[in-house]
Amino acid sequence: GENVEQHPSTLSVQEGDSAVIKCTYSDSASNYFPWYKQELGKGPQLIIDIRSNVGEKKDQRIAVTLNKTAKHFSLHITETQPEDSAVYFCAASNPSGSTLGRLYFGRGTQLTVWP
Amino acid sequence: NAGVMQNPRHLVRRRGQEARLRCSPMKGHSHVYWYRQLPEEGLKFMVYLQKENIIDESGMPKERFSAEFPKEGPSILRIQQVVRGDSAAYFCASSRESNSPLHFGNGTRLTVT
Repeated sequence: GENVEQHPSTLSVQEGDSAVIKCTYSDSASNYFPWYKQELGKGPQLIIDIRSNVGEKKDQRIAVTLNKTAKHFSLHITETQPEDSAVYFCAASNPSGSTLGRLYFGRGTQLTVWP
Repeated sequence: NAGVMQNPRHLVRRRGQEARLRCSPMKGHSHVYWYRQLPEEGLKFMVYLQKENIIDESGMPKERFSAEFPKEGPSILRIQQVVRGDSAAYFCASSRESNSPLHFGNGTRLTVT
C-alpha cells in the first residue's frame, strides 16, 4: 500500500516568516494530495489540495507544490501568523476509479508561530 | 450549513463493554468515511460507506468492529468488547461524491479503562 512520510515533525518560526513542510509518497499511482490543519481538540480541516495534473496551487498565503517524478509534495505558508499554529497533515490518495477518500496520512507536523 | 456532526465528543468505557460512535454527514453528502487517530500519529483509514452499503472496509480490524450507514439516521461505528488498545480518537468524514474532498468532524475520543 501507499506510504507517506512527512518532515519535519515539529517546526517553530517567527511571526511573518515562511514555513515549509515536505512529504514523500511511495505509490506512483497516487494522484490526489490534500493538506489538513488540525487544531487541539478538533478534527482535521482541509486547507488546500492538489491533483497530479498540476504542479502548483496557491490560495492566498498557502501554496502547495507537487513533483510527481520525485514523488514529493510540499506545503508553503508565507507571512505566518500565531493563528497558523496547529498540526498539519499531508495525505495521498489513489482513487483508481473508486474514491479519493481512502487517504494515507503522514504523521503530522506541529507548527508553532511565535509572535 | 452544519458540518459533519459526531457524538459523543468523549466516551469512556470499561474493558469488555460496547462503544457506539455516531456520525451525521454534511447536508447533501452521501459518502461517509471513518478514520482512527492514535496519539502522536496520523489518521488511519478504517471504512468507507454509502447509504446502506459498505464499499471498502479494508482498514477495519477483522473482529469486534463494525460500521453501518442506514437509509435513515446517522452512520454508526460499533466496537464490541472494547480493550485498552481501542483508546483513540475516531473521526468521521463525509463527501458529496466519491471524487470530492473529505470534510471531517471533530471526532469522538474513546477512553477504555
